[in-house]
Amino acid sequence: DIQMTQSPSSLSASVGDRVTITCQASQDISSSLNWYQHKPGKVPRLLIRDASKLESGVPSRFVGSGSGTTFTFTITSLQPEDIATYYCQQYDNHPRFIFGPGTKVDLK
Amino acid sequence: DVHLVESGGGLVKPGGSLRLSCVASGFTFSSYSMNWVRQAPGKGLEWIAYISSSGRYIYYADSVEGRFTISRDHATNSLFLEMNSLRADDTALYYCARGRLVTLQDAWGQGTLVTVSS
Repeated sequence: DIQMTQSPSSLSASVGDRVTITCQASQDISSSLNWYQHKPGKVPRLLIRDASKLESGVPSRFVGSGSGTTFTFTITSLQPEDIATYYCQQYDNHPRFIFGPGTKVDLK
Repeated sequence: DVHLVESGGGLVKPGGSLRLSCVASGFTFSSYSMNWVRQAPGKGLEWIAYISSSGRYIYYADSVEGRFTISRDHATNSLFLEMNSLRADDTALYYCARGRLVTLQDAWGQGTLVTVSS
């Protein structure tokens, strides 16, 4: 089975900071990766699909990149409403899905 | 607006059974695949089951294969998860989620809590 890792597991940043999260797959998954945002008490929200395609209605400060085994998720200018846990999700073996362990983003 | 409302969660003893339901509205239910995703307390998201729009294709995570059964009823726009042989590590908030393009989930319910404890 393909394993997913995310780093860091948590981070603290200030409003306006650039925040970067890395997701690593244990084998080549091409661009078969989505990114979700999950705020406490809310439902998960799809932000980016196919590694880099911004979902409709999602602010452009959220950027995804990468292919193969290494993927990056960036918030170009952190806003207070971005406090959440972010998960990568691989679908190389779709329709089976594997989520990464998540990265919790806090305000410094 | 897309709405997904789960129900059926509760407290159950280890080895017991439970049936979760999810009623969909605001979209053509029969045209979309559906999924169940869970989140154990303090843990991350775990995809556990998928059913195609027709109900013909069904897949499970290894953690629930053989114990859980996903199904759907287009007459009532409902998704189900029959859970048997429940274990303590099945304790989680269970979300139903609409599938799109077979490769993602684009709408989620609020979840229903399942607690497995003696």
